[in-house]
Amino acid sequence: DAGVIQSPRHEVTEMGQEVTLRCKPISGHDYLFWYRQTMMRGLELLIYFNNNVPIDDSGMPEDRFSAKMPNASFSTLKIQPSEPRDSAVYFCASSLIPGTQYFGPGTRLLVL
Amino acid sequence: GIQVEQSPPDLILQEGANSTLRCNFSDSVNNLQWFHQNPWGQLINLFYIPSGTKQNGRLSATTVATERYSLLYISSSQTTDSGVYFCAVDSSGSARQLTFGSGTQLTVLP
Repeated sequence: DAGVIQSPRHEVTEMGQEVTLRCKPISGHDYLFWYRQTMMRGLELLIYFNNNVPIDDSGMPEDRFSAKMPNASFSTLKIQPSEPRDSAVYFCASSLIPGTQYFGPGTRLLVL
Repeated sequence: GIQVEQSPPDLILQEGANSTLRCNFSDSVNNLQWFHQNPWGQLINLFYIPSGTKQNGRLSATTVATERYSLLYISSSQTTDSGVYFCAVDSSGSARQLTFGSGTQLTVLP
């Protein structure tokens, strides 16, 4: 398997623009997670899905953030409008059995 | 929520040396993982170890759940071991919601 795939790998945008991050989980995995990594706050869980249904979005920082999983092989994390403080590395992870989460390579987002 | 503390925060070793990284957590857990984040930012699974001991090559890990800590051992370190080592735990019952420690930055010198 190719592992968890994320796109784009790097994104530079201007404040106020919409940003869409994409993730393809490992085939057959029924859980998908979105994390954010910053120097100040480390790695934080934003939201996770089970069988395409959002289970816990308590980590989503504010209404400007939204995530969807329209099918088992695709998820998006959208920021609208983006702000400089959203600059971070965003990771997607997936798992099949409890406890073993596999991470994608991450998307480095810079909001100017 | 659960607190995760890792020590030491930074560690510098000469190639070939051994090291022990520690992870303390504040509540009982049903999921504990160790990750290595390499210099390119990739997070790599090392161990899923909510209890007991596991070994994989030069790496091994032990979790003593009753005393709320886990140890990661690196033997005969290599320069490719450099990076940040994270401990992540979940106590929610779902075994899904990982809380990460702040990591140990390991530098192995040639």
